Amino acid sequence: ILNVEQSPQSLHVQEGDSTNFTCSFPSSNFYALHWYRWETAKSPEALFVMTLNGDEKKKGRISATLNTKEGYSYLYIKGSQPEDSATYLCAHAHAGGTSYGKLTFGQGTILTVHP
Amino acid sequence: GAGVSQSPSNKVTEKGKDVELRCDPISGHTALYWYRQSLGQGLEFLIYFQGNSAPDKSGLPSDRFSAERTGGSVSTLTIQRTQQEDSAVYLCASSLVVAREEDNEKLFFGSGTQLSVL
Repeated sequence: ILNVEQSPQSLHVQEGDSTNFTCSFPSSNFYALHWYRWETAKSPEALFVMTLNGDEKKKGRISATLNTKEGYSYLYIKGSQPEDSATYLCAHAHAGGTSYGKLTFGQGTILTVHP
Repeated sequence: GAGVSQSPSNKVTEKGKDVELRCDPISGHTALYWYRQSLGQGLEFLIYFQGNSAPDKSGLPSDRFSAERTGGSVSTLTIQRTQQEDSAVYLCASSLVVAREEDNEKLFFGSGTQLSVL
């Protein structure tokens, strides 16, 4: 994996469904993996920054896991609500980069939650 | 202000004109970044500022693009002789990097400038 890849590109679920997305990234020279939520007409909002292999983070109904050895992260949403509708972006920070915030982003997963 | 502020929110310009995009980061955030998202593409890094200096300009796509930051605060991204391929959403972000700690490394984004070059 040379770039950051996210799947699926888009997802439609019903309110109350649980869902998950995948982010694949280069496993070599890993520094950090970021997840952001970007709602239409708003600013991207940070959900998680993870640096340790095996790390698991949780924020309300949203959680994320990280596997740096194989180069993937999962984002889970439990009991989706219409307000969870957004584009979910993951981004990779490369060790040896000029700064913590120089990120390579995936193209995002567009989530639509239907009432 | 409480968040990262960008102006204008929308800019329509004619091919060949110069444009300036402004970013006002969160007070106290020393790191400032410019990213852009072209249609169908992911967010793409343009430039990074630490204080007033730009140690990494590697993402600027051509010498028509330049940026500066003054007083460790406001930054301006200038695009000269705009081309249609410059049409994109330009996002500014800032972060507080005091020490290597995950929460300090989150980027706080503005709401972006939608640039359309006709």
